[in-house]
Amino acid sequence: KAGVTQTPRYLIKTRGQQVTLSCSPISGHRSVSWYQQTPGQGLQFLFEYFSETQRNKGNFPGRFSGRQFSNSRSEMNVSTLELGDSALYLCASSLAGRENNEQFFGPGTRLTVL
Amino acid sequence: AQSVTQLDSHVSVSEGTPVLLRCNYSSSYSPSLFWYVQHPNKGLQLLLKYTSAATLVKGINGFEAEFKKSETSFHLTKPSAHMSDAAEYFCVVSDPWDGGSQGNLIFGKGTKLSVKP
Repeated sequence: KAGVTQTPRYLIKTRGQQVTLSCSPISGHRSVSWYQQTPGQGLQFLFEYFSETQRNKGNFPGRFSGRQFSNSRSEMNVSTLELGDSALYLCASSLAGRENNEQFFGPGTRLTVL
Repeated sequence: AQSVTQLDSHVSVSEGTPVLLRCNYSSSYSPSLFWYVQHPNKGLQLLLKYTSAATLVKGINGFEAEFKKSETSFHLTKPSAHMSDAAEYFCVVSDPWDGGSQGNLIFGKGTKLSVKP
């Protein structure tokens, strides 16, 4: 089974631009979660999607948004980029059942904002 | 609210000696607890998980962790360190089934493990 894939792996943007990151979950997984990893703040939860609906959200500004498609693929968008948005963005998928709450992580997208 | 505290930001051991990475958690419920490992420039890999079955959990690569409710701890151990164990390790807590929401993992700050030859 193929793992979680994220595209692109590396991205360089300038302040004020917007960016879209993509995540393809493991086949059969219906839950996709996004996390931001920075040296200062560590790993922080952004949001989770399940069956095309956002069902949990972390403490991030509205510039961070996401969506999930019917095939469970997910995208996250960051508008009006700031220098502090430079981070590794990780996507994770899971089966999303009570006994299946293990999340499988992709390799991440490294975003640099100049 | 749940939280996780990893007591050491950096641990250094010699190859062949035991590894102990300490983690304390706070949760209002019976939590699910995980240890993940992240090698440089790689994604996160699950080492092991506790979900209210046996309190001693065995994971991959010889790692294990013991859930101690009285101490609210979930320390990660390995009897003998290998050079390939050098990485960053994250202790993670998740609330149990909570109206369907499974996606909110709370990560500790991480412990960097160095292994000296």
